[in-house]
Amino acid sequence: QVQLQESGPGLVKPSGTLSLTCAVSGGSISSVNWWSWVRQPPGKGLEWVGQIYHSGSPNYNPSLKSRVTISVDKSKSQFSLKLTSVTAADTAVYYCARYNNNAFDIWGQGTRVTVSS
Amino acid sequence: DIQMTQSPSSLSASVGDRVTFTCRTSQRISSYLEWYQHKPGKAPEILIYAASSLQSGVPSRFSGSGSGTNFTLTISSLQPEDFATYYCQQSYSTPYTFGQGTKLEIK
Repeated sequence: QVQLQESGPGLVKPSGTLSLTCAVSGGSISSVNWWSWVRQPPGKGLEWVGQIYHSGSPNYNPSLKSRVTISVDKSKSQFSLKLTSVTAADTAVYYCARYNNNAFDIWGQGTRVTVSS
Repeated sequence: DIQMTQSPSSLSASVGDRVTFTCRTSQRISSYLEWYQHKPGKAPEILIYAASSLQSGVPSRFSGSGSGTNFTLTISSLQPEDFATYYCQQSYSTPYTFGQGTKLEIK
């Protein structure tokens, strides 16, 4: 059973860079899936951030495209999110998820990131 | 981007009730529609994919229907563990978008 676990700093300063990692266990990161990031700001709904195929082809939400980078490290069985020039609007719970057969079928537990000085 | 509109935004119901949630999309998406259940402090869980296919392990009291721009999620007989927020999501095109959610509360 594939499991996902997010990790990274819970506090980031404004204008800084948010960096999160998602560890994939119980299955191969090289399987035919997309590996995704979804976030939920406080009191709001879910927002797709972007995704990457195991071969390294990323796909980003245009609303964040200029600031976001998603990468994959197959040797460590993990994928990562970097979001630059963060503001308070980037405060959210960030989830990593597997996108399989047109659905987010497996999710991590989520990690809360606050942007504040 | 495809806009998703869920209704109602909140719903109060009792254990044993039958409830239906609605999701409308701003353009036709065939059956590329998923439903998720989200409880506070937990990861979302997929219930329905491709508009009407029940995800493995999800109780049969959950069902989905619709195509094009109008979709519904029905819970046939509410159980205590079903009180949560429900989101629809389109997988027709990127950026994938979610509805704003329907919060199901105990009456």
